[in-house]
Amino acid sequence: EAQVTQNPRYLITVTGKKLTVTCSQNMNHEYMSWYRQDPGLGLRQIYYSMNVEVTDKGDVPEGYKVSRKEKRNFPLILESPSPNQTSLYFCASRHGGVESPLHFGNGTRLTVT
Amino acid sequence: TQLLEQSPQFLSIQEGENLTVYCNSSSVFSSLQWYRQEPGEGPVLLVTVVTGGEVKKLKRLTFQFGDARKDSSLHITAAQPGDTGLYLCAGAPGAGGTSYGKLTFGQGTILTVHP
Repeated sequence: EAQVTQNPRYLITVTGKKLTVTCSQNMNHEYMSWYRQDPGLGLRQIYYSMNVEVTDKGDVPEGYKVSRKEKRNFPLILESPSPNQTSLYFCASRHGGVESPLHFGNGTRLTVT
Repeated sequence: TQLLEQSPQFLSIQEGENLTVYCNSSSVFSSLQWYRQEPGEGPVLLVTVVTGGEVKKLKRLTFQFGDARKDSSLHITAAQPGDTGLYLCAGAPGAGGTSYGKLTFGQGTILTVHP
C-alpha cells in the first residue's frame, strides 16, 4: 500500500531533550516536506526537500533540522525542543511539480513541557 | 510569505443546506489545491485548479479558480454529515510555470454538517 509513515504518533518530552520524528514513503517520490499544524494557523511549512541531499527552508524553520540521505526517508530533528514547538506535525511527499497531489502521513502530536 | 485567507473559519449547518468556502489572497498563485482533513488523519487532496476562471466539479462539490488567480471558492450542494471535516486551500506562489518548492496553506474551515 502506497503510504507516508510517521513515527511516533504521539510524543511527550521535556524542554531541551533532543528528539527525532521519522518519516518514510514507499512511493519513490522526489519531493518531501514537513509541516506543523496549529489551531487557527493552518499548515505551515518547516522544511522541504526536492531530492536526495537537497533541502530548503520553509516558512518556519527555526529550531528544526532535517536531512535527506535516502530518497524514502526525511527525518525531522529538534535539537533542543521548546514549549512553543508543541504542535501537530505532518510529513508529506509527492511526485512531480506543485500541481501534483501531496500525500500526507497521519501526523505526530508533539508536546514539549 | 504569501498569505491565503480562508473564510469562514467555522461553519455549522444542517444536512441538505448549501455552503461556500472562500480562499483569498492579494498575491497570484500558479495553481491552487483544496484538501479535506478528518480527525487523526492527514489532509487528502480533493482537486487542483491551474487556469484562471477554471471550474471543476466533484459530485456535489464545485471548485472555482478566480480569473486573476488570486482567489478560489469551494461550493457544496446539499451538504451531508459525511462532508464534515476541515477544508484547506493551498496555493503555489507565482504567476506561471511549474513551481516545485513552497506550498502555502490557508488557515482552514471547520465544517460540521448536522443530520
